[in-house]
Amino acid sequence: DQQVKQNSPSLSVQEGRISILNCDYTNSMFDYFLWYKKYPAEGPTFLISISSIKDKNEDGRFTVFLNKSAKHLSLHIVPSQPGDSAVYFCAASAGGNEKLTFGTGTRLTIIP
Amino acid sequence: NAGVMQNPRHLVRRRGQEARLRCSPMKGHSHVYWYRQLPEEGLKFMVYLQKENIIDESGMPKERFSAEFPKEGPSILRIQQVVRGDSAAYFCASSPMEENTGELFFGEGSRLTVL
Repeated sequence: DQQVKQNSPSLSVQEGRISILNCDYTNSMFDYFLWYKKYPAEGPTFLISISSIKDKNEDGRFTVFLNKSAKHLSLHIVPSQPGDSAVYFCAASAGGNEKLTFGTGTRLTIIP
Repeated sequence: NAGVMQNPRHLVRRRGQEARLRCSPMKGHSHVYWYRQLPEEGLKFMVYLQKENIIDESGMPKERFSAEFPKEGPSILRIQQVVRGDSAAYFCASSPMEENTGELFFGEGSRLTVL
């Protein structure tokens, strides 16, 4: 039962353009959403998060959008840089519980 | 402030042996989580511990797997009688007790290979 889904296993974007990574969830109890970035042979590192009381959160080049009615969130990276090439995981939690449910990840490749 | 420390980074075991993975949380963090990542998959929650207590072990296989976080020392994930299907990357994460932001700080992982 995959409660958090990232349907695109990979994405390639030209340097300087916008990268859009998508995530869908099925559990309506989720109220906090996070994006993690992971390089090979390293642990995931926190990127940005959003609470369900918001529909947008921005941090520099990274913006996360949340559409609760569609149970969908997206991560926008603009402009994309070569160092952004990594696997991006969407994660969600419910009720202040720090136990995170992760998606399967999207491998982003930025083409110079 | 050192991050989450996991060791060993790589561990090779033969079927039937035991694997012990250690995790020292970030300084000041009292919550520890273990996640497993199988090849080409996302991270799956295994267990959530606080000092001397298992809070949530709903993701732990019923047999052969155990976890502890003693009053002193690192958290340990123990896998008895390993099988090939246990080959995976095991990630430990920690969070502070006072701040419930939902953000977890991950270690670099321990990669278990079962021959």
